[in-house]
Amino acid sequence: AQKITQTQPGMFVQEKEAVTLDCTYDTSDQSYGLFWYKQPSSGEMIFLIYQGSYDEQNATEGRYSLNFQKARKSANLVISASQLGDSAMYFCAMREGRSNNDMRFGAGTRLTVKP
Amino acid sequence: GAGVSQSPRYKVAKRGQDVALRCDPISGHVSLFWYQQALGQGPEFLTYFQNEAQLDKSGLPSDRFFAERPEGSVSTLKIQRTQQEDSAVYLCASSLAVQAHYGYTFGSGTRLTVV
Repeated sequence: AQKITQTQPGMFVQEKEAVTLDCTYDTSDQSYGLFWYKQPSSGEMIFLIYQGSYDEQNATEGRYSLNFQKARKSANLVISASQLGDSAMYFCAMREGRSNNDMRFGAGTRLTVKP
Repeated sequence: GAGVSQSPRYKVAKRGQDVALRCDPISGHVSLFWYQQALGQGPEFLTYFQNEAQLDKSGLPSDRFFAERPEGSVSTLKIQRTQQEDSAVYLCASSLAVQAHYGYTFGSGTRLTVV
């Protein structure tokens, strides 16, 4: 069963505007971690932001924030003040708290920032 | 080293050839993961090591795929009798610990093209 769902294959945003990338997840664990990674055309996976399942406040890292709605099992990434360099693939991922826990990724969203 | 190092960066193999992909994780990182990423897709889990023990190999697509980490540091992913469908980027990641809130550091990947 798909554990991470990203329903937006592609998104466009005007430079300097904010954009929200959607992510929903499925788990029966109480302890889990949610992650967002950026993958530019060069291919490396760049860690952006982390949200723990027990964290009561939404995570923020500079221009990135995570809109965590636990009851709805959603972990949307918000990028404020978009820049041309934000154009990339963005992946949502989850690591569950059980042992032998690997990280599972969504299919990704390709973000294009327009000048 | 400071990051996760993968080699070679690119590999072209003739169908039927065996290949070996190397991953050198961050020193001291207990967990090591291999992922396969097809073009335009999210990374798909292949296998996971905790130190030298391979704890999960459920993602390996066939018995042509084999991974090892004999001394708990460097890992090798071997693909025997390569097929065209094996063409993908193979990503290695390491993590300091097994708990859910520990994220991964990814290598730059090996792009395998089977011709």
